[in-house]
Amino acid sequence: EAGVAQSPRYKIIEKRQSVAFWCNPISGHATLYWYQQILGQGPKLLIQFQNNGVVDDSQLPKDRFSAERLKGVDSTLKIQPAKLEDSAVYLCASSPRQGLNTEAFFGQGTRLTVV
Amino acid sequence: GENVEQHPSTLSVQEGDSAVIKCTYSDSASNYFPWYKQELGKRPQLIIDIRSNVGEKKDQRIAVTLNKTAKHFSLHITETQPEDSAVYFCAVHSGGSYIPTFGRGTSLIVHP
Repeated sequence: EAGVAQSPRYKIIEKRQSVAFWCNPISGHATLYWYQQILGQGPKLLIQFQNNGVVDDSQLPKDRFSAERLKGVDSTLKIQPAKLEDSAVYLCASSPRQGLNTEAFFGQGTRLTVV
Repeated sequence: GENVEQHPSTLSVQEGDSAVIKCTYSDSASNYFPWYKQELGKRPQLIIDIRSNVGEKKDQRIAVTLNKTAKHFSLHITETQPEDSAVYFCAVHSGGSYIPTFGRGTSLIVHP
């Protein structure tokens, strides 16, 4: 079974620039998560999708972050404009179904450095 | 929202010793409690989980205990090995929304 795919693996941008991350979840997984993991901390949920609908985005800084999951499969997370404090690893994860509390399968992450 | 506290932040043990990591949570309706292991530069991976209708679960050298009344659960690793060295995260899924909240992580170092 193929895992969660993310790209790019690394990205360095200057502050105020824009950046986009891509995620392809495990085939058939209905739930997709985007997490931000700052060095030395646990993953912080940014947004959770169930198919192509948003379940929770209460911790997504909506003035600069946006995410979409068209057709309920792939997802993109965008930051525009980036700030220094956005430097982190952005993890995408997927689960088979919401509501049955199953484990999340994580991608390798995208390490973003804002300079 | 859910509040998850994880302790200790770092844990250093000798090979063969036991290690215990504890998490507390605030939402009494939470019903799913996974533990993830994250090795340096790698993705978090599930190592064990427990649901609210179970008090304890074991898988070889790893066990998790849940005290719903006190709202805490713990990860127990026995006969630790150097390859157990990693950061361990607890997570809690809120009862109504199933939204997961992670602890801040425990860096476990097992000295040979």
